[in-house]
Amino acid sequence: DGGITQSPKYLFRKEGQNVTLSCEQNLNHDAMYWYRQDPGQGLRLIYYSQIVNDFQKGDIAEGYSVSREKKESFPLTVTSAQKNPTAFYLCASSDAGGVGRETQYFGPGTRLLVL
Amino acid sequence: AQSVTQLGSHVSVSEGALVLLRCNYSSSVPPYLFWYVQYPNQGLQLLLKYTTGATLVKGINGFEAEFKKSETSFHLTKPSAHMSDAAEYFCAVSDSGGYSTLTFGKGTMLLVSP
Repeated sequence: DGGITQSPKYLFRKEGQNVTLSCEQNLNHDAMYWYRQDPGQGLRLIYYSQIVNDFQKGDIAEGYSVSREKKESFPLTVTSAQKNPTAFYLCASSDAGGVGRETQYFGPGTRLLVL
Repeated sequence: AQSVTQLGSHVSVSEGALVLLRCNYSSSVPPYLFWYVQYPNQGLQLLLKYTTGATLVKGINGFEAEFKKSETSFHLTKPSAHMSDAAEYFCAVSDSGGYSTLTFGKGTMLLVSP
């Protein structure tokens, strides 16, 4: 089955700790995205990558970092600089195209909670 | 800059009634428009999208939406609600003028009562 996997489903972060959320896709998509979802706020773009070894900041990149060393993987690190990390994090992928009409396919999400 | 406004954070309907979820957008160039559905604690699934061509777009699960340029709207409808339609619905827009990312509305929770 082709799709996007995210792990873990739940993640707990202690004060001052960096944590990494995993996102893997086997859809052979060039583009990948990370969103943050808060209740009543919709989805907000954190980072996106159109191609391996390249990525761009989204609307709320502060306190987050990413890497794109492989086409199928786009991990997100929530650093200690992110003061309010509690949220539902969604990863997505799409054919690159780059003209905005591509459908984004979403993973099941990771819920991050602060201890 | 593009933006999306979804009117009503919650919409309640009875089973069998018409579903109407409202979406208005702002875009400086012709837009691409999307509706996604999210069930609790899950990712988003595409319902339908408008890129070019016919302005009435049919999607999965009996939903459809009409792109109205003059009203800058892309409202989602379904003639008869089913209990399984209860979920959160997101409208999203991207620009057609070059590389563009999706901008999402804040979502509308659809509640269906028996």
